[in-house]
Amino acid sequence: KAGVTQTPRYLIKTRGQQVTLSCSPISGHRSVSWYQQTPGQGLQFLFEYFSETQRNKGNFPGRFSGRQFSNSRSEMNVSTLELGDSALYLCASSRSQGTQETQYFGPGTRLLVL
Amino acid sequence: AQTVTQSQPEMSVQEAETVTLSCTYDTSESDYYLFWYKQPPSRQMILVIRQEAYKQQNATENRFSVNFQKAAKSFSLKISDSQLGDAAMYFCAYRTALVNAGNNRKLIWGLGTSLAVNP
Repeated sequence: KAGVTQTPRYLIKTRGQQVTLSCSPISGHRSVSWYQQTPGQGLQFLFEYFSETQRNKGNFPGRFSGRQFSNSRSEMNVSTLELGDSALYLCASSRSQGTQETQYFGPGTRLLVL
Repeated sequence: AQTVTQSQPEMSVQEAETVTLSCTYDTSESDYYLFWYKQPPSRQMILVIRQEAYKQQNATENRFSVNFQKAAKSFSLKISDSQLGDAAMYFCAYRTALVNAGNNRKLIWGLGTSLAVNP
């Protein structure tokens, strides 16, 4: 079974631009979560989607948004990029939204904002 | 709010030796899940081991085992017979077992321990 895939793997953008990252979960997984990883803040939860609905949201500004499609693939969008948005963005999937479910991670998208 | 603390930013071990990584957490909940994830230089986050708080028995996965002390809120990871491929960042993470709606299904992470394995 294929793992979680994320595209693109690397991105370079400039301040003020917007960016869209994509995540394809493991087949049969319906829950997708997004995390931001930075050296200073560590790993922080962005949001979780299940059945095309956002179930949870972390403490990030409204510039960070996401969505999930009927095939469970998810995208996250960051508008008006700031230098501090430079990070590794990790996507994780699980079979359901139950807390007992283990999350499996993709390889991440490394975003550099210049 | 729950927190996870990893007090050892860096550790090293000789190949074939045993090393223990520490993790403590703070929570008022009685039911939850604890995880150790490994992140090698490739940045892929890999699940190492998982522990359910209601289980008294410590989880074990091959060379990896945990020492779960619920009263002390401690969750250490022991790596036996360390291998070069074990070199990575190791993250301890917490997740509530509550099923109520809200912002509680997220994983709460420690800042990680960088493990070097010396040949």
